[in-house]
Amino acid sequence: SYVLTQPPSVSVAPGQTARITCGENNIGSKSVHWYQQKPGQAPVLVVHDDSDRPSGIPERFSGSNSGNTATLTISRVEAGDEADYYCQVWDSRRDHWVFGGGTKLTVL
Amino acid sequence: QVQLVESGGGVVQPGRSLRLSCAASGFTFSSFGMHWVRQAPGKGLEWVAVIWFDGRKKYYGDSVKGRFIISRDNSKNTLYLEMNSLRIDDTAVYYCARARGGAAAHFDPWGQGTPVTVSS
Repeated sequence: SYVLTQPPSVSVAPGQTARITCGENNIGSKSVHWYQQKPGQAPVLVVHDDSDRPSGIPERFSGSNSGNTATLTISRVEAGDEADYYCQVWDSRRDHWVFGGGTKLTVL
Repeated sequence: QVQLVESGGGVVQPGRSLRLSCAASGFTFSSFGMHWVRQAPGKGLEWVAVIWFDGRKKYYGDSVKGRFIISRDNSKNTLYLEMNSLRIDDTAVYYCARARGGAAAHFDPWGQGTPVTVSS
């Protein structure tokens, strides 16, 4: 079954670029979605279908997906970006929807 | 605007049952698949179940298969999760989420969640 591997934590200074990875064999063949979750709040979609951004999400959020790694990139990081981030795919072989373990983004 | 509101959570003893509801508004509910996702305290997101827009297909996560039942009433714009034989490790915040697109769809939006505590 699909196991999406994310780093538990990523730290970055304000104004710098944060990159959060999501790994699985041949994930590049899947559509990857990314969610942001702040403490005490429900998750919010920030990138879908590898690199598409929903309306209302800043252009600073972008995504890519190739080979065995999908990446969420947050440019010009702000204090308000501090949150947990989760990747997600559909496992078509089992009709299961799978989340990565989550990455805590800390803004130094 | 599009809104999902869960209800029905609470404290329940192991082995008992509980039914969650998710009231949808602001969109044509009968046109969208719907998911339940849960989050145990201090843990990550775990997909629970999905139901197709017309209710004809349902799939479950391994940890709840055979115990939980997902259903919907399109006339009431409401999604349900019947949880049976509850276990301690079912303790979590339960979110409903709309599926955008086909099976590979993303989840958007999410409800605010309803907490379920299984404890003796």
